[in-house]
Amino acid sequence: DQQVKQNSPSLSVQEGRISILNCDYTNSMFDYFLWYKKYPAEGPTFLISISSIKDKNEDGRFTVFLNKSAKHLSLHIVPSQPGDSAVYFCAASLYNNNDMRFGAGTRLTVKP
Amino acid sequence: GAVVSQHPSWVICKSGTSVKIECRSLDFQATTMFWYRQFPKQSLMLMATSNEGSKATYEQGVEKDKFLINHASLTLSTLTVTSAHPEDSSFYICSARSSGGHQPQHFGDGTRLSIL
Repeated sequence: DQQVKQNSPSLSVQEGRISILNCDYTNSMFDYFLWYKKYPAEGPTFLISISSIKDKNEDGRFTVFLNKSAKHLSLHIVPSQPGDSAVYFCAASLYNNNDMRFGAGTRLTVKP
Repeated sequence: GAVVSQHPSWVICKSGTSVKIECRSLDFQATTMFWYRQFPKQSLMLMATSNEGSKATYEQGVEKDKFLINHASLTLSTLTVTSAHPEDSSFYICSARSSGGHQPQHFGDGTRLSIL
């Protein structure tokens, strides 16, 4: 039962352009959403989060958008940099964050 | 801040050996710690959740007697893979979070376990 889905396994963008990573979920009870970045042989690093009472959260070059009616969230990175190349996981959790579910990840490649 | 240290990073051992993996929160108190397993090209699969001082809650399909979890303090949790076999070979990652509303989980760097 895959409650969090990232349908694009990979994305390639040019340096300086916008990267848009998408994520869909099925459980309407999820109320906290997160994005993590992962390099090979390392654990995921927390990037940005958003609670269900908001539809946008911004932190520097990273912005997360939440569309609750569509059960969809996205991560925008602008401008994209080569150092952003990594696998990005979206995650969703219930109110107490003890049940967090991950998407399968999207590998982002930013070309110089 | 929010640093989680996981040790060892890589283990190779013979079939039948028990392997212990440590997960420490270095600069915060982790009321809850989580253990995940990741298969190649797949997402993180939650194995169990542990709260300090209480028994771990295991996900369906995860053998409690196989994967022993101890969360003895607010900064340390251990996962012991007992009598490991080649099918237990995987990438194991721990995470930790503090209490208080919505808090992100912070992850260790994972342990690559290879059973010969």
